[in-house]
Amino acid sequence: DAGVTQSPTHLIKTRGQQVTLRCSPKSGHDTVSWYQQALGQGPQFIFQYYEEEERQRGNFPDRFSGHQFPNYSSELNVNALLLGDSALYLCASSLSVSNQPQHFGDGTRLSIL
Amino acid sequence: KNEVEQSPQNLTAQEGEFITINCSYSVGISALHWLQQHPGGGIVSLFMLSSGKKKHGRLIATINIQEKHSSLHITASHPRDSAVYICAVPVSGGGADGLTFGKGTHLIIQP
Repeated sequence: DAGVTQSPTHLIKTRGQQVTLRCSPKSGHDTVSWYQQALGQGPQFIFQYYEEEERQRGNFPDRFSGHQFPNYSSELNVNALLLGDSALYLCASSLSVSNQPQHFGDGTRLSIL
Repeated sequence: KNEVEQSPQNLTAQEGEFITINCSYSVGISALHWLQQHPGGGIVSLFMLSSGKKKHGRLIATINIQEKHSSLHITASHPRDSAVYICAVPVSGGGADGLTFGKGTHLIIQP
């Protein structure tokens, strides 16, 4: 039973470019949450997708957008990349019912030059 | 929205010592999460609890909902326990929310 998988594992971009990160949830999970973790900090909640819609959003600008597909996989898109977007991007999946643990992928390390 | 305070930020201890990490949050919640993160990034869920106490091996987690406080204890600590331990709560308190994380406690257990 595969857990949460994210791709790519590492990515290097330059300022102003756009990036797409991908996440496949754990089998049976229908909810995907995305987090940004800067070096030495705790993860910050970006948004959560359920039933192909953004259900909840953290304090991130509109440059950060996402999508969820019918098979529950998800993408995180970031436009007009800034140096400050350099971080580890984590995807977590869960069941939509209350009080379920979130299962995390290993993350995508994004570096902006 | 919920805010999480975790202490200490860094902790170095000798093998065998009893370890305590504390977490406080600001908004009532349905459940609190304790997670472990190793170098390289992978995050593993250790506990999710909404009341009382849970135990898994040498790890014990407690929560006081009235005081909005939780603790993670490690008994008979071992160098393999060295990791970052993070407390997290639902962003707005609801059980299916995204999570707000503390800054983490960087634990080093020396042999």
